[in-house]
Parts: sequence; C-alpha cells; structure tokens
Amino acid sequence: QKEVEQDPGPLSVPEGAIVSLNCTYSNSAFQYFMWYRQYSRKGPELLMYTYSSGNKEDGRFTAQVDKSSKYISLFIRDSQPSDSATYLCAMSASEKLTFGTGTRLTIIP
Amino acid sequence: GAGVSQSPSNKVTEKGKDVELRCDPISGHTALYWYRQSLGQGLEFLIYFQGNSAPDKSGLPSDRFSAERTGGSVSTLTIQRTQQEDSAVYLCASRPGQVYGYTFGSGTRLTVV
Repeated sequence: QKEVEQDPGPLSVPEGAIVSLNCTYSNSAFQYFMWYRQYSRKGPELLMYTYSSGNKEDGRFTAQVDKSSKYISLFIRDSQPSDSATYLCAMSASEKLTFGTGTRLTIIP
Repeated sequence: GAGVSQSPSNKVTEKGKDVELRCDPISGHTALYWYRQSLGQGLEFLIYFQGNSAPDKSGLPSDRFSAERTGGSVSTLTIQRTQQEDSAVYLCASRPGQVYGYTFGSGTRLTVV
C-alpha cells in the first residue's frame, strides 16, 4: 500500500464548476501538506501548503486537512480553462516530500 | 537565474550508455533534491543534499545511480549503463529553509532506446 493515495482521474468538468481533489495517507507522522499544480512538460509549482487540520483559503483555492481521517482536499471554485493541469498532493514528516500520483484535470470551456 | 535550471531538457540515449543530468538551483538555496516522475507513478524521491551534510541517498533505485553537488550549488545526476526502465522525467528542486518552499525545474525527459 502506498503512503499517499490519489485518484489519477482524468477528471473533466465544465468551466465555472467547483472542483474537488482528494488524497488519503497512511503515515500519521506527516505534518506538512501541500498541493502542487503541474502543466504539461513543466515542473510542479506550489499552490498551497498547510500544517494543521482545518481549511486554508487563497483566492479561488481552498485546502482542507483532516488529520483524524488522514484525508486532504483541494477545492477550486469558479474553475477556469487555465486550471487544466495535473494536481499533485504532497506531504512531509521531515525534509522529504511524498507525492500522490496526481489527478489530471480538464476544464471544458 | 530566477528559477531552477535543468539541462538537457530532453535526452535520448541507447541502452547501456551513461548519462549525466545537470541541475542549477536557485542561488542561496541550501537544499537540493532529485525526483523521478514516471507515467502514472507520481514523483519518486531519489536523493537529497543539505549544505555540507552527507547526502540522503535512500531513494536511489540501484548502484547505477549516483549524484554529486559541487560547491553547494550545481548538482549532477549520473546514470550508468542505462536501462529502458530508467526512461522518465528527472526533476530537480531546491529550497531555502522551509519544507514547503520547494521550487522545481522543468525536468529532463530521458528516453532509453
């Protein structure tokens, strides 16, 4: 069993919809949680990070962490075609990040 | 430069040949990482350098893989006697102090034929 599980998709939604992306994990030592966005043939770029249970909002993006359930989510409101990318969750207990496999998201105009 | 620079961006090599992949991190970033991204496999940790400390090599898949970081800056990942299963995108990242501050390069796409 992988330490971090993420549904690979692909996921297609119409423009303007709310998108929900999720990861589960098994290592209770993870304390930092991140979401990265990766466009085709580019490196991942950090979208959001958090280190506690609860919600963190940044513009159209909300990251949610539930440590008791070992479950994290990323919500994208008012989705745009430019949000089409692969989204990777990542988490860390120390200096190394452990990534999910990524969810490929397409926003349909 | 402003970002993490990796070269070459693409590399096609014959099975059995050695390859060197280069990473130029952001100036001042003390930590440098190599990850491998295979189709459908997510990012796999390979090796981690922090300042002058001994590198964490725990993710290197075999002794054909090695890496060095010279002068606390540029890093080179070397794969000897390449195999077809080595085909992947090799990503380098650097960060300053905080764990969440990773900045990735665009990667080197390695194809072994």
